[in-house]
Amino acid sequence: EPEVTQTPSHQVTQMGQEVILRCVPISNHLYFYWYRQILGQKVEFLVSFYNNEISEKSEIFDDQFSVERPDGSNFTLKIRSTKLEDSAMYFCASSPVDRDYQPQHFGDGTRLSIL
Amino acid sequence: SQKIEQNSEALNIQEGKTATLTCNYTNYSPAYLQWYRQDPGRGPVFLLLIRENEKEKRKERLKVTFDTTLKQSLFHITASQPADSATYLCALLHGSSNTGKLIFGQGTTLQVKP
Repeated sequence: EPEVTQTPSHQVTQMGQEVILRCVPISNHLYFYWYRQILGQKVEFLVSFYNNEISEKSEIFDDQFSVERPDGSNFTLKIRSTKLEDSAMYFCASSPVDRDYQPQHFGDGTRLSIL
Repeated sequence: SQKIEQNSEALNIQEGKTATLTCNYTNYSPAYLQWYRQDPGRGPVFLLLIRENEKEKRKERLKVTFDTTLKQSLFHITASQPADSATYLCALLHGSSNTGKLIFGQGTTLQVKP
């Protein structure tokens, strides 16, 4: 069964450094999302992306965050200057185009640890 | 703002019994509600989707109900097995399109004992 793949599985970064999290969505999916989950807390929406532009973003997704689809297969999340509170699991998700809503499928995440 | 509540306490049941998990929501009327399974250190895995005009949905040993009047969804696992032990997340779609965001509950941890 097709999967969303994310790399790296674990990223350790010094506070203030830039980090790029990478995702390969399922191949025929055209809607892409990033979520995060701080340890012990709920999964939270960050941003949705379609047709090479952001569709919606949350309050968490401030100017330090950006997303990009640099080629036909990858979808990236960049944090420009990381803070301690950015430490979390970051999940990428994707869903296909259909007349009716189709569920979002998640990758296994990148654990981001900010030191 | 929208709020989703799931039983925060872990649910412990004996193998073979039916597990029932509850999801209550307020301040919203979602068109779609989904259930996901999450194992430690892994991403959510999609299980079932139910639409606002559906009362019940089944898939193998899983059943979901959706009561838009009570603003509640129930998730049942029949003939439970130790392999069903995991955290189960309820999520509602905010927005009517595929670009809508999922709002998750905090999850209920299920432990099935052999």
